[in-house]
Amino acid sequence: DQQVKQNSPSLSVQEGRISILNCDYTNSMFDYFLWYKKYPAEGPTFLISISSIKDKNEDGRFTVFLNKSAKHLSLHIVPSQPGDSAVYFCAASEKGAQKLVFGQGTRLTINP
Amino acid sequence: KAGVTQTPRYLIKTRGQQVTLSCSPISGHRSVSWYQQTPGQGLQFLFEYFSETQRNKGNFPGRFSGRQFSNSRSEMNVSTLELGDSALYLCASSSTATSGVDTQYFGPGTRLTVL
Repeated sequence: DQQVKQNSPSLSVQEGRISILNCDYTNSMFDYFLWYKKYPAEGPTFLISISSIKDKNEDGRFTVFLNKSAKHLSLHIVPSQPGDSAVYFCAASEKGAQKLVFGQGTRLTINP
Repeated sequence: KAGVTQTPRYLIKTRGQQVTLSCSPISGHRSVSWYQQTPGQGLQFLFEYFSETQRNKGNFPGRFSGRQFSNSRSEMNVSTLELGDSALYLCASSSTATSGVDTQYFGPGTRLTVL
């Protein structure tokens, strides 16, 4: 049973445009959500997080939106840059549990 | 601050052997978690240690074990290796206190190949 799903295995975006990565979850006990960026053979790099008490969090070019009723979160990257090309994972955890459940990842390619 | 470090970075073992991987967390971080990444299963949680105690455990067989030392450094051990244990093993640390959730920061991983 996959509790965190990223339904788009890949996404291609023009440099300078907006990249939108989506993530759905099924476990209503999740209350903390994170996005990580990963290059092959490296560990995930933390990008941005959001607590369930918020519906939006911004950090520079990155914004995460959380829709609790739809059990859906998205990551917006504006403007997209070639260095953003990587695999992006969303992850979730339950309250008080340092146990991340990851989606399968979306490979983002930024075209010049 | 130095990041999470993992040793060794690469390891080749044969079936039936055992292996020990090491992780040094970010200074001041007391929680260490381990994850396995494979092409088929993605990133999966193995276990988490806090103050030398296993606090959370994932759905892995007993061949996978770990421990944490008083300086928060952690090791994980896999006994009786199987071909399917070939994976990238990732360690993550966070500064969480006795309760609550905090951001986990990952190390570069150890690539284990079982022949």
